[in-house]
Amino acid sequence: DTAVSQTPKYLVTQMGNDKSIKCEQNLGHDTMYWYKQDSKKFLKIMFSYNNKELIINETVPNRFSPKSPDKAHLNLHINSLELGDSAVYFCASSQGGSYGYTFGSGTRLTVV
Amino acid sequence: SQELEQSPQSLIVQEGKNLTINCTSSKTLYGLYWYKQKYGEGLIFLMMLQKGGEEKSHEKITAKLDEKKQQSSLHITASQPSHAGIYLCGADEGSARQLTFGSGTQLTVLP
Repeated sequence: DTAVSQTPKYLVTQMGNDKSIKCEQNLGHDTMYWYKQDSKKFLKIMFSYNNKELIINETVPNRFSPKSPDKAHLNLHINSLELGDSAVYFCASSQGGSYGYTFGSGTRLTVV
Repeated sequence: SQELEQSPQSLIVQEGKNLTINCTSSKTLYGLYWYKQKYGEGLIFLMMLQKGGEEKSHEKITAKLDEKKQQSSLHITASQPSHAGIYLCGADEGSARQLTFGSGTQLTVLP
């Protein structure tokens, strides 16, 4: 009964490849997010998305694109992977108010 | 945008000792969240504070938000090795509906 689930947990791929990370939430939340955690453990917002609005952090390269087939899913697609994309990517969801944010367990992406 | 500073960056304590982690914001906080992360794992929600002067406790962990809602502290009493991990504070600006995180505090508890 995982609330926010991400797949895969680990992803090792070569430079230049295109890859996707999937995220699903079963909490009925209306907003989903992608965060990137770098090697220094700093968590930075990449995208937030609900059925009305996509907010993109301006520092995110356009090789990264979120895709939401429905309210419960927000997948992250990455084109032309680079070495610097290696990080842990976290999906999260929220309903607003005082309900807080629920995070997935992360996807560790390694680009070689 | 919201900027959060956490201190200290890292902390090593002997088991049984008390410790405090601070989180300071450049803006008034709408909501302040504390999370814990163990190596290779996701973020575990600890507490959320919204009101000035609010204080919440869970087991041996207490979090406070100051009256001006710009600073929060996380206090652990009688620390145990199970408390080890990275503690992250996150701020919600309310209108933006997204969390901005501090740089984290790496806590090591020596047995």
